[in-house]
Amino acid sequence: DAEITQSPRHKITETGRQVTLACHQTWNHNNMFWYRQDLGHGLRLIHYSYGVQDTNKGEVSDGYSVSRSNTEDLPLTLESAASSQTSVYFCASSSRAVAKNIQYFGAGTRLSVL
Amino acid sequence: QKEVEQNSGPLSVPEGAIASLNCTYSDRGSQSFFWYRQYSGKSPELIMFIYSNGDKEDGRFTAQLNKASQYVSLLIRDSQPSDSATYLCAGPSGGSYIPTFGRGTSLIVHP
Repeated sequence: DAEITQSPRHKITETGRQVTLACHQTWNHNNMFWYRQDLGHGLRLIHYSYGVQDTNKGEVSDGYSVSRSNTEDLPLTLESAASSQTSVYFCASSSRAVAKNIQYFGAGTRLSVL
Repeated sequence: QKEVEQNSGPLSVPEGAIASLNCTYSDRGSQSFFWYRQYSGKSPELIMFIYSNGDKEDGRFTAQLNKASQYVSLLIRDSQPSDSATYLCAGPSGGSYIPTFGRGTSLIVHP
């Protein structure tokens, strides 16, 4: 079965360290997204990609970067982790071809920056 | 700014009752809407989507879309304690592939 997986599921890091969260999907979807979810804010879009070599900033992109070198993966990098980036991060993907905009989510990564 | 608004709740209903969850949106260009269910500590899971005015039924769930009034609702019949979760409404911005999510409504179904 097709799926979308995130790793690690839990991560504790220190302020100033670089952190990369992995996202891998086997749906063969063109579109991939990264969100963070915090109490009181709902899901907020960090970055998204419509295909290989395409990346775009979302509403809360400062301090984050992504790269898309193949269809399956969209890793999210925190260049220099800050305590304000403690959150739950969700990766999602969607297809352009079928039932556009239905997003399928990974299980999430809980990140703590100390 | 395109927005999707939901009452954060919690909405508390007794087991077996109908739970009614509502969502309003500002973008008249939105063509499709989605309801996701999110259990505590889990990721959002799609439960319904609706593209046209009127009702769409799937088991105990009915989604209703009224484009003239710019609201979308989700009815859950015969509510069960296992339905207790946060329900997220989402509507894409015009022709974009990027949904706009509401902040979610917490539903509690008590025995």
